Amino acid sequence: DTEVTQTPKHLVMGMTNKKSLKCEQHMGHRAMYWYKQKAKKPPELMFVYSYEKLSINESVPSRFSPECPNSSLLNLHLHALQPEDSALYLCASSQAGGGVIGADTQYFGPGTRLTVL
Amino acid sequence: AQTVTQSQPEMSVQEAETVTLSCTYDTSESDYYLFWYKQPPSRQMILVIRQEAYKQQNATENRFSVNFQKAAKSFSLKISDSQLGDAAMYFCAYRVNYGQNFVFGPGTRLSVLP
Repeated sequence: DTEVTQTPKHLVMGMTNKKSLKCEQHMGHRAMYWYKQKAKKPPELMFVYSYEKLSINESVPSRFSPECPNSSLLNLHLHALQPEDSALYLCASSQAGGGVIGADTQYFGPGTRLTVL
Repeated sequence: AQTVTQSQPEMSVQEAETVTLSCTYDTSESDYYLFWYKQPPSRQMILVIRQEAYKQQNATENRFSVNFQKAAKSFSLKISDSQLGDAAMYFCAYRVNYGQNFVFGPGTRLSVLP
C-alpha cells in the first residue's frame, strides 16, 4: 500500500480565517513533507519532518504552521493567508534514513487545492 | 547547488508511438537518485521510475525506460507504445543520498494524440 491521503480536497478561505490541512500515511514512513505547487510549476518544498521532528523549514512565512502529532499524521495550520498563497498543497512521505533501498522515494498524496479570497 | 533542467516545456506523441523526454542535472555529488514523476490532471504525483546513480544499468518499468548517462548528467525518459493515459506533466527529480530535499525540474507537458 503506497497511499498518502489528504483532506480536504478543496478549501476556500478568507484572509482572516484559520484552517488546517491534514495528511495521513500508513506505510510506516518516518519522513513527511509539505510542498506548495503553483499552476504549471514544479512543487516547492516547504517543510520536512523526520521522526516527528521538524528538520527542514524552507523559510516559509509564519502564517503556515506545520505540526506532526505522530508518525502517521502531518498537519498544516493556516492563518491570515494572502491571495498569493492560493495553490495546490501536496503532502509526501518516505522512509527516513539514507542507505535503505527505496528510502529515497517520496510518495505523494492527491493534494489540497487552496483558494484564498 | 543542484539544478534540474527539462528543456522541452511541451511535447506530443501519437498513440502507440514512442516519445523521449529529456532531463539534465547539475551536481557535484557522486551518490544520488534520479526520478521521473507523472502528474496527470487529477493532480496526484505518481512515481514512474527511479534510478540509483551507482547503477550503470538503465532502469525499466514496463513501457517506461530511462537512458542514464552519468558522465553527461543526463537522464531521459522513453515511453514506448504511448497510451492516452500517459498524457500528463512529467517532472524529473534529483535527490542526493542521505538528503531530504528533492530538486524538481520545471516539467514537460506531454500530450498523447489519438
